Amino acid sequence: ETGVTQSPTHLIKTRGQQVTLRCSSQSGHNTVSWYQQALGQGPQFIFQYYREEENGRGNFPPRFSGLQFPNYSSELNVNALELDDSALYLCASNGESYNEQFFGPGTRLTVL
Amino acid sequence: KQEVTQIPAALSVPEGENLVLNCSFTDSAIYNLQWFRQDPGKGLTSLLLIQSSQREQTSGRLNASLDKSSGRSTLYIAASQPGDSATYLCAATASKLTFGTGTRLQVTL
Repeated sequence: ETGVTQSPTHLIKTRGQQVTLRCSSQSGHNTVSWYQQALGQGPQFIFQYYREEENGRGNFPPRFSGLQFPNYSSELNVNALELDDSALYLCASNGESYNEQFFGPGTRLTVL
Repeated sequence: KQEVTQIPAALSVPEGENLVLNCSFTDSAIYNLQWFRQDPGKGLTSLLLIQSSQREQTSGRLNASLDKSSGRSTLYIAASQPGDSATYLCAATASKLTFGTGTRLQVTL
């Protein structure tokens, strides 16, 4: 157990809808990162939050957005869902330095 | 831009064999390198983390090495077991993790 939880486990949406995925980090971990993992690929970095501010972003469009809250929880929001957004979404948290990142079990999103 | 490559993409070995998984990265300015295990449809389990100042880390039957100057890391699995069957991912850490596409390992009886 990593101490990082994600909800929901699975989600099915239709194209054009909006979705919110949730993550609860380890207590004391001020950094949370979100990754998208398509089938058969390695995870791709979406963005990172540090103390509730976006602290880095990968090559994802603005319809991918996030929030981080003071209670070590965070959200990934995706608007105007596309079929290619179907993937496993992973969140990871770490402490103050670039040390080990701890991953949650992921949310499997299917867009029909 | 960091790029991480893992070779081979897939590997099948009989139980009991020792094996080596390879990971290469293009930018040596990393803080650490992590190896993960991923079972089908599941999240990532951290196996080993090697800080940039270290050369290797060991945990049980697993040993990971890091050569920053050549941009390479290897994961050595001793005496493989069917329960080791999974996808193994390496990730180089700078401000974010950059992952390889993984090596899918199958250990047969």
